[in-house]
Amino acid sequence: RKEVEQDPGPFNVPEGATVAFNCTYSNSASQSFFWYRQDCRKEPKLLMSVYSSGNEDGRFTAQLNRASQYISLLIRDSKLSDSATYLCVVRTYTGTASKLTFGTGTRLQVTL
Amino acid sequence: NAGVTQTPKFQVLKTGQSMTLQCAQDMNHNSMYWYRQDPGMGLRLIYYSASEGTTDKGEVPNGYNVSRLNKREFSLRLESAAPSQTSVYFCASIDRGTSYEQYFGPGTRLTVT
Repeated sequence: RKEVEQDPGPFNVPEGATVAFNCTYSNSASQSFFWYRQDCRKEPKLLMSVYSSGNEDGRFTAQLNRASQYISLLIRDSKLSDSATYLCVVRTYTGTASKLTFGTGTRLQVTL
Repeated sequence: NAGVTQTPKFQVLKTGQSMTLQCAQDMNHNSMYWYRQDPGMGLRLIYYSASEGTTDKGEVPNGYNVSRLNKREFSLRLESAAPSQTSVYFCASIDRGTSYEQYFGPGTRLTVT
């Protein structure tokens, strides 16, 4: 079983739609959780951290369920510029350093 | 602030050739990382360095060596390149303040023929 699992998509949605991505992780000792965004042929960049209480950043809402080891990302009012691959990321601590494990990503294509 | 820089951006090697990928960060981060990204596989950790003078293996270290030259620089060496090492390589460093945000370089696209 992969440490971090995501549906690869692609999710094809019209502009203005709401879309949700899910992610599960296997290591219950994981300490921090993130969503990264990666544009085609570019490096990943942090979209937002994910907290147990849930958190929102504009049109983006992230949720964490530690009991189910499940993370979600909701995008409201999708824009063309949201088209990208969204990576679910989990941080563990090795004793000397943080180690981030990445899901394979969910591709989103927003169309007119 | 340049962030994380990597050189070269592109490279083509023949099987058996060697090369070193360079990475530097100017954010005073202690921990640095090397990943490879292949289609359908996501980002996989090759090696990481918790701090200057230390390195540890990640998920896929075979065929690679690393050097943490100083706090700023972390290089990745392929001693004898193989076609299976064709990939996009990303260097990253981490902010251990409150965010643990990982900052990535722009990547090196390596093809081994």
